[in-house]
Amino acid sequence: DVKVTQSSRYLVKRTGEKVFLECVQDMDHENMFWYRQDPGLGLRLIYFSYDVKMKEKGDIPEGYSVSREKKERFSLILESASTNQTSMYLCASRPRDRGTDTQYFGPGTRLTVL
Amino acid sequence: AQSVSQHNHHVILSEAASLELGCNYSYGGTVNLFWYVQYPGQHLQLLLKYFSGDPLVKGIKGFEAEFIKSKFSFNLRKPSVQWSDTAEYFCAVEGNTDKLIFGTGTRLQVFP
Repeated sequence: DVKVTQSSRYLVKRTGEKVFLECVQDMDHENMFWYRQDPGLGLRLIYFSYDVKMKEKGDIPEGYSVSREKKERFSLILESASTNQTSMYLCASRPRDRGTDTQYFGPGTRLTVL
Repeated sequence: AQSVSQHNHHVILSEAASLELGCNYSYGGTVNLFWYVQYPGQHLQLLLKYFSGDPLVKGIKGFEAEFIKSKFSFNLRKPSVQWSDTAEYFCAVEGNTDKLIFGTGTRLQVFP
């Protein structure tokens, strides 16, 4: 079974703090994704990565950056957290050769910015 | 740009009632289609998927979905819901990139 783990289930930070959200997958997937999930808005793609050190902006990248130094790990960084970044953050991974495979999601990190 | 519409935001049913959740997408090319479910306090799980072939797709827990290409639709159905089906349901579409486009979700509440 594919396992995608995220470093924290719940996180509380203050405005202006630098925040790191970590995601690790154990299935040697090339593609990894970060989404945020908000009520009434569904999931929106923040950033994704096709390979180590590669990144692509998603639909809402403003205020975020990412890091992919190792294949299994994809980090989301909030350089200076703001209250409008309070949300549920979901990480996902998928093999490059899609076939009939899909994205596998982690449990999510609920971030509150005070 | 691709988009996905889920018209039902909140659905309330009694156990044994039939369910149909609407999903429409906008994209002119070949698509892969998915329904995901998120049970309270749990992570997002794949319910079913369509890539090609038979447009009637069967998933887990008695769910099925029908791809109607002419209507750009992929509606989710279940003939008889259970209390344990209470969850949020997301339709998602994938075009010629690796990006999944999600709908805004439908919250289903099933009462005993």
